[in-house]
Amino acid sequence: EADIYQTPRYLVIGTGKKITLECSQTMGHDKMYWYQQDPGMELHLIHYSYGVNSTEKGDLSSESTVSRIRTEHFPLTLESARPSHTSQYLCASSEVLAGVSTGELFFGEGSRLTVL
Amino acid sequence: SQQGEEDPQALSIQEGENATMNCSYKTSINNLQWYRQNSGRGLVHLILIRSNEREKHSGRLRVTLDTSKKSSSLLITASRAADTASYFCATARTGGFKTIFGAGTRLFVKA
Repeated sequence: EADIYQTPRYLVIGTGKKITLECSQTMGHDKMYWYQQDPGMELHLIHYSYGVNSTEKGDLSSESTVSRIRTEHFPLTLESARPSHTSQYLCASSEVLAGVSTGELFFGEGSRLTVL
Repeated sequence: SQQGEEDPQALSIQEGENATMNCSYKTSINNLQWYRQNSGRGLVHLILIRSNEREKHSGRLRVTLDTSKKSSSLLITASRAADTASYFCATARTGGFKTIFGAGTRLFVKA
């Protein structure tokens, strides 16, 4: 079982609220990711990190922001939530294979966000 | 656009039958991975095949990779109702550090 944890699992909030989705891993992985997934649909990479103090935007534009102050922690923040942000957010981490690519991704259980 | 595309989008079979899912991708890769996702949960890694490998087995799973056609297939033999889930292929590019997922195949195994 993967040692990567996301909280909260479910969150229902009103428009305009600030929210932070937490993600922590205990595997010492340098690479961490946030994916956004609508029900039954594909995963879209919205943020990733190579390590501490490194963050990059993914392939899908997102109004969220991330930070990586500690290796094990990669929180995602929405300053002002809107109904269009309603989705499932999946956090993952991975090792780097021989310094050239990523290997297996370990996923958390996801945070399902509903913005009213 | 996403790197991988799975085919079919959905597949419904009887318990005991084999299930085959296909994945196509666009650029050169270092490895290709298959994941499983139960409804409302995170993804679980099933198998990784490197670009210099052509076939790999893990239990009831068999994965093939054809880099000349930029395609892969996942075969689940003797399927069970518990295999009902979505299956995603994902690619890691050579020299890249992003893993890109396809749209997934939804497998329904009827008891």
